[in-house]
Amino acid sequence: QLQLQESGPGLVRPSETLSLTCTVSGGSISSSTYFWGWIRQPPGKGLEWIGTVYYSGSTYYNPSLKSRVTISVDTSKNQFSLKLSSVTAADTAVYYCARVPSGFFDYWGQGTLVTVSS
Amino acid sequence: QSALTQPASVSGSPGQSITISCTGTSSDVGNYDYVSWYQQHPGKAPKLMIYDVSNRPSGVSNRFSGSKAGNTASLTISGLQAEDEADYYCSSYTSSITYVFGTGTKVTVL
Repeated sequence: QLQLQESGPGLVRPSETLSLTCTVSGGSISSSTYFWGWIRQPPGKGLEWIGTVYYSGSTYYNPSLKSRVTISVDTSKNQFSLKLSSVTAADTAVYYCARVPSGFFDYWGQGTLVTVSS
Repeated sequence: QSALTQPASVSGSPGQSITISCTGTSSDVGNYDYVSWYQQHPGKAPKLMIYDVSNRPSGVSNRFSGSKAGNTASLTISGLQAEDEADYYCSSYTSSITYVFGTGTKVTVL
């Protein structure tokens, strides 16, 4: 059974960089069939797609976040990562990682709350 | 990119059918059959309910069905049950090789 698990600091200072890692178990991140993505959800609000990465390193980002986002993949560790720079309180959210077969998100991590505060 | 438009809330009595709409544009919902639907209970991660407009993943009840007409996709829940009370989100692939989610709909079982 495929499982995804997000990890990283739960508190980030304003103007700093948010860094999260998603560890994939029960399947290979190097599969040519899948992309891997990040989605976030501010408290009490809706879902927002952040970006998607392929095992080769190709990336696709939400235009509204593109200037601050970097998503990368480490096939040796079966992990992919998210970096969001210059964070503000508006970036406070539950961050999810997910598998992306083609046009949808089928397996999700449990999510991790990241709070931006001094 | 703008979020897809969903009604804020939909309600129904047990056993009834309800339909949630998801309106986009010709750059997303109207141009691709990559519309998906997610159910989210409080404090939980979203769960895939429908993919590629009308396909159900293994394990999802056949009470859930999806369709699309033009720029609007729909999710129908038939035989409404108490456990269906949750938030529902649609999503679509877009022409910019990106994804967009809907605004979300709270389903209440009366």
